[in-house]
Amino acid sequence: NAGVTQTPKFRVLKTGQSMTLLCAQDMNHEYMYWYRQDPGMGLRLIHYSVGEGTTAKGEVPDGYNVSRLKKQNFLLGLESAAPSQTSVYFCASSLSYSLNQPQHFGDGTRLSIL
Amino acid sequence: TQLLEQSPQFLSIQEGENLTVYCNSSSVFSSLQWYRQEPGEGPVLLVTVVTGGEVKKLKRLTFQFGDARKDSSLHITAAQPGDTGLYLCAAETDSNYQLIWGAGTKLIIKP
Repeated sequence: NAGVTQTPKFRVLKTGQSMTLLCAQDMNHEYMYWYRQDPGMGLRLIHYSVGEGTTAKGEVPDGYNVSRLKKQNFLLGLESAAPSQTSVYFCASSLSYSLNQPQHFGDGTRLSIL
Repeated sequence: TQLLEQSPQFLSIQEGENLTVYCNSSSVFSSLQWYRQEPGEGPVLLVTVVTGGEVKKLKRLTFQFGDARKDSSLHITAAQPGDTGLYLCAAETDSNYQLIWGAGTKLIIKP
């Protein structure tokens, strides 16, 4: 089972460049999330989606955009990358919001902005 | 602002020793999850605790939810090198669909 797959695994960008991080899940989950993880800090929610065609802002949405055109895919875009966006990005999905349903994570995208 | 504080931030012990890590808050949560994250991978759920005072066991790992549902602990008996990883706690917030996460305890078990 693939679960949650993130592409790419690593990327180095120059300040001002744009890119899209791809997340795909094969578990038919309704809910999908994008987090960033920085040293000494917990996972911080960037954006999330409660179903195909819907997106919402999380805790730290500035500088990012997302789209959920298909149920299985959740895309995270950086329009003009900044060094402060250097981080490890995780995508997750869950069957529902209830904490009785775990979030399933991908293995992350390590992004460096020079 | 709801915060989850995990302690210690870092713990390095020898194989066979026992340890306890903590997840504390001033807020009351309806439930709390513990995850383990290994290097280069995403977090993986270990357990969800829901009831105040609840104790759950997963082999050598014992999880407890505080009576007031403000804190939780994870106790590992006879730690093994395979227990090495970052242990994260997460809890529901006042906002729908969003969890808050502790910063984690980085655990290293030396053979």
